[in-house]
Order: sequence, then C-alpha cells, then structure tokens
Amino acid sequence: AQTVTQSQPEMSVQEAETVTLSCTYDTSENNYYLFWYKQPPSRQMILVIRQEAYKQQNATENRFSVNFQKAAKSFSLKISDSQLGDTAMYFCAFTYTYSGAGSYQLTFGKGTKLSVIP
Amino acid sequence: AAGVIQSPRHLIKEKRETATLKCYPIPRHDTVYWYQQGPGQDPQFLISFYEKMQSDKGSIPDRFSAQQFSDYHSELNMSSLELGDSALYFCASSPLTVGQETQYFGPGTRLLVL
Repeated sequence: AQTVTQSQPEMSVQEAETVTLSCTYDTSENNYYLFWYKQPPSRQMILVIRQEAYKQQNATENRFSVNFQKAAKSFSLKISDSQLGDTAMYFCAFTYTYSGAGSYQLTFGKGTKLSVIP
Repeated sequence: AAGVIQSPRHLIKEKRETATLKCYPIPRHDTVYWYQQGPGQDPQFLISFYEKMQSDKGSIPDRFSAQQFSDYHSELNMSSLELGDSALYFCASSPLTVGQETQYFGPGTRLLVL
C-alpha cells in the first residue's frame, strides 16, 4: 500500500516570504507521479504542480517549485514571494497505474494548512 | 478553459433518502474519478470510470453505485443515506492519452444528511 505523510499540520508565513511544505511517501513502485493540490476556503481542489518520478529535474510553476528526492522518498513544495491568496490547505498526492487506464487513483496526505500573514 | 462541472453544488437530504450527484468532465476527457472528503479529512477515492466502464474501485459503500454515460458524464447514486455520508464529493477528470495521470477536480457537491 502507498502512504503519503505530511508532518506539518499547520504553517504560517509572512507575505512576500518563502515557505517550504514537507511531504514524504512510501511505495515499492518505480514509476509514479506526485502532485501538490491547493484547497482554499472555497474547498475547490486546484492542481498546483506535478512531478514524474522518472524525471530528475524538479518541476517549477511560476512561484511554486518542488524538491524531489526519489531515494529519500521526499517531495517538498516551495512557495516563493508568498501572497495572501496562497492561504489554503495544501495536499500532497501520489499515484501510479494500478491496473491500466483509468486507474490513477490518488492517495492524499492529511494536508498542511498554510496561513499567509499580511 | 472549460472545467469539470458538478451538480448540484449543495444537497440536503434526510436519513434513508437517496441522492444522485452528477459530473460533467472536461471536453475530450474520458476518465472520471469520484472522491469523498469528510470534514477535516483528506479526499478518499471511491470509484473511477474509463471509456464508460468501471476501471477501479476504492472504499465505496455497497449503498453507492455509479456509472458513466455515452457522453462521458457520470452519476453517483447514493441510497439509504446515513449521517456519516455528509461530506464533500468531488469528481475529477483526466484525458485519454498524454497526461492521463493528472486529474482536474470539479468544485464538489456538498451533501448534508440530516
């Protein structure tokens, strides 16, 4: 079974500062995908960034970047120049192909609640 | 860009009633996933469909059933509702080929069972 662990239930950061959210996972699979989803107070689930395990290069999307350490099974999210709109719950998620197309079910961590302080 | 559409957005039911949740995937997405998110919890996978066939099943109660139709929209049918079914239900869709592992979520349906 795959597990995803987010060890920081809550974090806060000053506006314009940088913050890093941690995520570790456990799997025996070699080919898989990792994601960070953002869930603001509206509770919409918004894809922030994705990483393919076979790619060594860390993914980047504007102010969001990841530090993917495959050997350590670590997948942290760095948010630069934090903005008030970044206040949300952040979920780390994992998937691989369980049994063919349509089987990329996501396993989520418990989430980290991030507050950006003005 | 078009997003996943879910209806209704809010639903209030009594215990033992039935509910039907609908999901319309992003155009040209043929795979649909359903998740349940209880209060203060992470989303839990329920069931998925690929090309109108059930492709995977998670922790979905026997009281729930789902299907995907010829136009790729999906419906989650919930019977004999219990208080514990109160949750946010997400539908997510993914494309057929490139990027099929990446899911895009709808806004969710908030179900309250009284």
